[in-house]
Amino acid sequence: DVKVTQSSRYLVKRTGEKVFLECVQDMDHENMFWYRQDPGLGLRLIYFSYDVKMKEKGDIPEGYSVSREKKERFSLILESASTNQTSMYLCASSPIPGTSNYEQYFGPGTRLTVT
Amino acid sequence: AQKVTQAQTEISVVEKEDVTLDCVYETRDTTYYLFWYKQPPSGELVFLIRRNSFDEQNEISGRYSWNFQKSTSSFNFTITASQVVDSAVYFCALSEINTNAGKSTFGDGTTLTVKP
Repeated sequence: DVKVTQSSRYLVKRTGEKVFLECVQDMDHENMFWYRQDPGLGLRLIYFSYDVKMKEKGDIPEGYSVSREKKERFSLILESASTNQTSMYLCASSPIPGTSNYEQYFGPGTRLTVT
Repeated sequence: AQKVTQAQTEISVVEKEDVTLDCVYETRDTTYYLFWYKQPPSGELVFLIRRNSFDEQNEISGRYSWNFQKSTSSFNFTITASQVVDSAVYFCALSEINTNAGKSTFGDGTTLTVKP
């Protein structure tokens, strides 16, 4: 079974704090993704990575950065958390398109509250 | 740019009714994948189906069926004889395949409530 795990289910941080959200997958997938989910807005892509140390901006990268030092781990960093970053954060991984099991596998999500 | 539209924000049905969730997409790519995911109240998104742009065959899996029509850029999802356990948020997604990254664009989701 593919497993994508996220370091916390719930997190409360103060405005201005540096926040790290960790994601680990155990299926040797090349691709990893960070989304945020807000009511009525669906899933919006923040950053994605298609290889170790490789990253690309998604649709809403402002205020975020990422790190992928190892293939299985993809970290999302909020350099200085703000209240408008209160959201559900979802991590996903996938093999490359064209493989028989190509889909995105999602973690359980981290609900981040910034006060 | 790719776009996925799920015009139905919320749908409420009574158990055993059939329900169709609409999905319309836009892309300039000639090859792509389409997906449906289910997000139950527990929160974790679960994959339901993948379709590539070359395969317009409809698919049936138990009570679930999918209708892919390239001519209208639609990929609709029907649940037959709905059950309370079908209550969830359903997302349609479009994925590019011209790069290895497989970046996906998701619709805003349709919240389905099935009442007993």
